Amino acid sequence: NAGVTQTPKFQVLKTGQSMTLQCAQDMNHEYMSWYRQDPGMGLRLIHYSVGAGITDQGEVPNGYNVSRSTTEDFPLRLLSAAPSQTSVYFCASSYQEGEKLFFGSGTQLSVL
Amino acid sequence: GQQVMQIPQYQHVQEGEDFTTYCNSSTTLSNIQWYKQRPGGHPVFLIQLVKSGEVKKQKRLTFQFGEAKKNSSLHITATQTTDVGTYFCAGLRSNDYKLSFGAGTTVTVRA
Repeated sequence: NAGVTQTPKFQVLKTGQSMTLQCAQDMNHEYMSWYRQDPGMGLRLIHYSVGAGITDQGEVPNGYNVSRSTTEDFPLRLLSAAPSQTSVYFCASSYQEGEKLFFGSGTQLSVL
Repeated sequence: GQQVMQIPQYQHVQEGEDFTTYCNSSTTLSNIQWYKQRPGGHPVFLIQLVKSGEVKKQKRLTFQFGEAKKNSSLHITATQTTDVGTYFCAGLRSNDYKLSFGAGTTVTVRA
C-alpha cells in the first residue's frame, strides 16, 4: 500500500492564480481531510469528508473548495490564491472519523 | 478557535534529560491522540488513549490521560537526538466528535 499520496510537494503561485492539490489514499478509508500548518498555529482543519459524495467545512474553509467523487481521491482547490494561503498543506485519512490519521507528505505552497 | 492548549511551545533539552509536554482541553474528550512530526516531515501517529486515567508506555515515552478526560501528558525520559521534532496532541471532543489539534511542542536536543 502506498498510503496517502499527495502532490505536488512544492508549488509557487502568483496572487489570483488557481490550482488543485491532489490527494489519494489506497487504504479504503472513509474519512479524508485537509489541514494547513502555520508556525505556532498547529494543524488547522480546512475541509473534510466522511465518505464519497459528502464534504463539510472545517475550521478555516474560506478560499478553498473540495469534492469527493470517489473513496480514494480528495482534491483541494484554491480558486484565487492569496498570500495568506502561503502554508504547508497536509492531506490525512482515517478508517472512520475520529480514528487515527494517516498523513500525506505535505505540500509547501507559496503565494507571491 | 483552538480548543486544545498544548504547552510548552518549545522545549530545549540536554541529551539524557527528561521532559514533559502537556495538553489541556476546555471540553471532555472521547480520546486523545499523539503524533510526532520530524523536521521537514509529516505527522505520524504515536498512540491513542481512551480510558480515564489511562497510562501507556512506548519505550522511553509515557502517555497519560487525565481522570476527567480533559488533559493529557507525554513524558520522555533520557532524551536522545532521535526525539527531535514536534509533538502534537489531538483531542476528540465528546460533544461534537471533532478532532482538535494542539499547537505542538517543538523539541530540540543539545548533545
